[in-house]
Amino acid sequence: EAQVTQNPRYLITVTGKKLTVTCSQNMNHEYMSWYRQDPGLGLRQIYYSMNVEVTDKGDVPEGYKVSRKEKRNFPLILESPSPNQTSLYFCASTRTGLLQETQYFGPGTRLLVL
Amino acid sequence: KQEVTQIPAALSVPEGENLVLNCSFTDSAIYNLQWFRQDPGKGLTSLLLIQSSQREQTSGRLNASLDKSSGRSTLYIAASQPGDSATYLCAVKGVYGGSQGNLIFGKGTKLSVKP
Repeated sequence: EAQVTQNPRYLITVTGKKLTVTCSQNMNHEYMSWYRQDPGLGLRQIYYSMNVEVTDKGDVPEGYKVSRKEKRNFPLILESPSPNQTSLYFCASTRTGLLQETQYFGPGTRLLVL
Repeated sequence: KQEVTQIPAALSVPEGENLVLNCSFTDSAIYNLQWFRQDPGKGLTSLLLIQSSQREQTSGRLNASLDKSSGRSTLYIAASQPGDSATYLCAVKGVYGGSQGNLIFGKGTKLSVKP
């Protein structure tokens, strides 16, 4: 089954304690991205990756890092989390082709930073 | 900077009604437009994708239209069912990044279909 998995699904942490949210896809897609979703602000892209070792900033990259060492995995790293990073995070994997594309979203990770 | 607006923010209809969700965007230089569905506690599911050169796409009871010049898209849902209850999100991709461009999302319309 084609899917994007994220772990953990729920996380409560404290300010400054480094954390990593993992994302994995089993569809051999080259393009992956991270979004955060906040009430009143909608979904905003944090980082994206067009292929292994190729990453770039989205609209709201401050306070986040990513890596893409292998095609299937795209972890999101918060080196020093702050309360304003409390949010719902989604990883997405995109299949692209001529005149067609499909985004597959993970189930989301709800993060609370105290 | 591209901005995507969805009206209404919430909509409640009785089962069986046909309904229209609206999406508008400020920059007509788009690569494509997509409609997504989001269920509570779950991720997004892609419903329909319209390329910038297309006017509409259909899937089952769903029909999405695109008027690029006026910066508008509509999602038409025929014969609504309680299972259609969800938040519907519209997202546009600008031409500058091509197929790898960034998706800009609207804030969504929360639809409730009453039995």
